[in-house]
Amino acid sequence: GAVVSQHPSRVICKSGTSVKIECRSLDFQATTMFWYRQFPKQSLMLMATSNEGSKATYEQGVEKDKFLINHASLTLSTLTVTSAHPEDSSFYICSANRGRTYNEQFFGPGTRLTVL
Amino acid sequence: SQKIEQNSEALNIQEGKTATLTCNYTNYSPAYLQWYRQDPGRGPVFLLLIRENEKEKRKERLKVTFDTTLKQSLFHITASQPADSATYLCALDIGQAGTALIFGKGTTLSVSS
Repeated sequence: GAVVSQHPSRVICKSGTSVKIECRSLDFQATTMFWYRQFPKQSLMLMATSNEGSKATYEQGVEKDKFLINHASLTLSTLTVTSAHPEDSSFYICSANRGRTYNEQFFGPGTRLTVL
Repeated sequence: SQKIEQNSEALNIQEGKTATLTCNYTNYSPAYLQWYRQDPGRGPVFLLLIRENEKEKRKERLKVTFDTTLKQSLFHITASQPADSATYLCALDIGQAGTALIFGKGTTLSVSS
């Protein structure tokens, strides 16, 4: 149990286009999902916290107009990178909070975004 | 703000030995400390969690300790195997459902046969 999927796993796009990444909790409901970005040999950096039915909370330095987050249901959150540029190339990972006995978080397999 | 450091970027050991990874944090003690394994190009996978009032936790060949005086957690893999080669991340958890974890940079462990 407690599986989180991400789609797509890899995406290559041209500069200036928008890319949507989906994060789904497959067998549990997640009121909160998180989006992280990870550069090579670096830690996971939290971008935003996404709560079902409300606006996402963005971390300092993350442009909310560039990284659009929608948490439409208890099992789905999407991250749209708008007008992508090469510096947005990174590994994007989501996690979903089940939150039973402790702050249980389950991570998706990640999405590798390459912007040409 | 809370900071978390994993002292070694890389650790190389021989098969069969015990690997010991270190995680230090500043400021307040978290309610929990979580350890994850991350393979290249994959998301983190949960391994173990230790509460602030626990000194030690074990799971098969894994052992985690938590010293709130030293503000440190140690992660041990005994009888290490090449399949244990991966990046290991520690994460601070303040213990409130719906709050994000704060991750260290990770230590990349290589176990040679």
